[in-house]
Amino acid sequence: QSVLTQPPSVSGAPGQRVTISCTGSSSNIGAGYHVHWYQQQLPGTAPKLLISADTNRPSGVPDRFSGSKSGTSASLAITGLQAEDEADYYCQSYDSSLTHWVFGTGTKVTVL
Amino acid sequence: QVLLVQSGADMKKPGASLKVSCQASGYNFLSHGISWVRQAPGRGLEWLGWVSAYYAKTNYAQKFQGRVTMTTDTSTSTAYMELRSLRSDDTAVYYCAREYRSGDYDHWGQGTLVTVSS
Repeated sequence: QSVLTQPPSVSGAPGQRVTISCTGSSSNIGAGYHVHWYQQQLPGTAPKLLISADTNRPSGVPDRFSGSKSGTSASLAITGLQAEDEADYYCQSYDSSLTHWVFGTGTKVTVL
Repeated sequence: QVLLVQSGADMKKPGASLKVSCQASGYNFLSHGISWVRQAPGRGLEWLGWVSAYYAKTNYAQKFQGRVTMTTDTSTSTAYMELRSLRSDDTAVYYCAREYRSGDYDHWGQGTLVTVSS
């Protein structure tokens, strides 16, 4: 299991706001290491960088996606949920105990 | 534009080794490290390691230490990932990804399906 824990699934109706948590510890998020977020539309297809360094959206990523971080956790929020947002989402951070990057357990977002 | 093109699908027997290539184009290969990530069927993303042609350094996930080697060929802007002593649970799609700044991967290869089966 990963040192970064995410809820297995979240769901929401179109237009609603959903949040995905990423819970770590003092050796990763709590130590101040950046958190990145990825969207994977289908398993087996390449993930897409959604949020870089906690809060930064790469060019082309809709502003419906936003990231935040506090203490040993980080969150990804999706506002104005759309059908195309149905995908798997992963957080990522560096862990100083492992001395390498790790991905979260992943969260499947379902649009009702 | 930035492109990462990986080698094709492969099938290996338990105990064998695999080597996946990732040819980069559209940017200065020396300016960005390459990481390798895999995804087993029905599972999440797993970080394997990182290689930098510029720094001539690698960093491997503890789980794969001693079993993985990542290299680069700057003459062809290609990164390689070799995994030895394959087991059935190494069956996965293997991705290479360009590190943009620090651990954030802004471009990914198309993935290479590796099946380990007797």
